[in-house]
Amino acid sequence: SYVLPQPPSVSVAPGKTARVTCGGHNIGSKSVHWYQQKPGQAPVLVIYYDGARPSGIPERFSGSNSGNTATLTISRVEAGDEADYYCQVWDSSSDHYVFGTGTKVTVL
Amino acid sequence: QVQLQESGPGLVKPSQTLSLTCTVSGGSISSGTYYWSWIRQPAGKGLEWIGRIYTSGSTNYNPSLKSRVSISVDTSKNQFSLKLNSVTAADTAVYYCARDIIAVAGYFDYWGRGTLVTVSS
Repeated sequence: SYVLPQPPSVSVAPGKTARVTCGGHNIGSKSVHWYQQKPGQAPVLVIYYDGARPSGIPERFSGSNSGNTATLTISRVEAGDEADYYCQVWDSSSDHYVFGTGTKVTVL
Repeated sequence: QVQLQESGPGLVKPSQTLSLTCTVSGGSISSGTYYWSWIRQPAGKGLEWIGRIYTSGSTNYNPSLKSRVSISVDTSKNQFSLKLNSVTAADTAVYYCARDIIAVAGYFDYWGRGTLVTVSS
């Protein structure tokens, strides 16, 4: 089964840049989507197809994907960005979705 | 605005069947553009995709749960449902339903608020 490891935690000061990685064998050949989940809430899509932003998501959120790593970048981090972030892909080898292990972003 | 709402028992006994329904409002479940998925999350843990269904009844399941899962759709009620049999404490989780964009590599653009299901005697 396809595995998507993410760092358990990332800490960042307000106004700085946070980068959350999502690893996977040849993940650059797949489309990666990212979700933000705040405590007690359902996940919210923040990036789809590697780098596209849904309506209503700030431009501070961006994504990239190449080789064996996909990255979610949050620029000019705000206190409200503190949340868990999950990457997600479609595993075509077994026709099912896979989520990353999740990263807790803490704003210092 | 599409809304999804999970419903069903919050407590299920071990070895029994967990049954949940997702009611879709603000859009038709029969739209050919979407699949409809179930996803779960044990307390303090990550997200796990359970499976999905298309309006035609076509399904895909997570290989790790496939032997115990069944997802069905009722287009007349704009609902889809999950059944997970032979449950154990490991199936205790918040269960979400979500809309799944049909694409080569889809994603989930609308989610329900989630419902907690506890497996305990």
